[in-house]
Amino acid sequence: DTGVSQDPRHKITKRGQNVTFRCDPISEHNRLYWYRQTLGQGPEFLTYFQNEAQLEKSRLLSDRFSAERPKGSFSTLEIQRTEQGDSAMYLCASSPNPGWAGGRDEQYFGPGTRLTVT
Amino acid sequence: QKEVEQNSGPLSVPEGAIASLNCTYSDRGSQSFFWYRQYSGKSPELIMFIYSNGDKEDGRFTAQLNKASQYVSLLIRDSQPSDSATYLCAVKGGGSNYKLTFGKGTLLTVNP
Repeated sequence: DTGVSQDPRHKITKRGQNVTFRCDPISEHNRLYWYRQTLGQGPEFLTYFQNEAQLEKSRLLSDRFSAERPKGSFSTLEIQRTEQGDSAMYLCASSPNPGWAGGRDEQYFGPGTRLTVT
Repeated sequence: QKEVEQNSGPLSVPEGAIASLNCTYSDRGSQSFFWYRQYSGKSPELIMFIYSNGDKEDGRFTAQLNKASQYVSLLIRDSQPSDSATYLCAVKGGGSNYKLTFGKGTLLTVNP
């Protein structure tokens, strides 16, 4: 079990540029989540995948944001036309299917991608 | 608006003392409750989860849940300087079987 991995760990970009982040979940986990965390706040839910299906998107996820999880494995989060307000830590988490894990569905976070928009 | 409230702290305790962290939530249908530890600049690390009323102990950590009072707490016994971090309470609501709602976190400082 190598844990959730995210890439890159840090990204500095200029306003208006597009950025893409990658998340690789724990291998046996079929559920994947994206959260965003700003300084002094707890993580806020952005979106959720069960296998390759994106089942919910938060209203925080404007039309500049898009997430995919092709083949139900890794996921990408793309932000188009970045704004300074997008600066945050973007966190990916994964959890097992409770039906396969005896009802347990705890979410484990990756190291995060810290985005700075200048 | 489903909310999770925590005292922001900072909470300061001497080494070896018991640290008590509290959390209240507004959604009566909430089913699952989690405590995460977050060191400065790092991502949240799951340290405890509790699904049923009562106490759950794991090493120096005890989680306590009272659904009637909509209250969950985390006790850290024999606090160590390495426990100094922000502790985040997270709740999975009754209307969602996947989304976590987090409090803002409580900053704990353990003084040697």
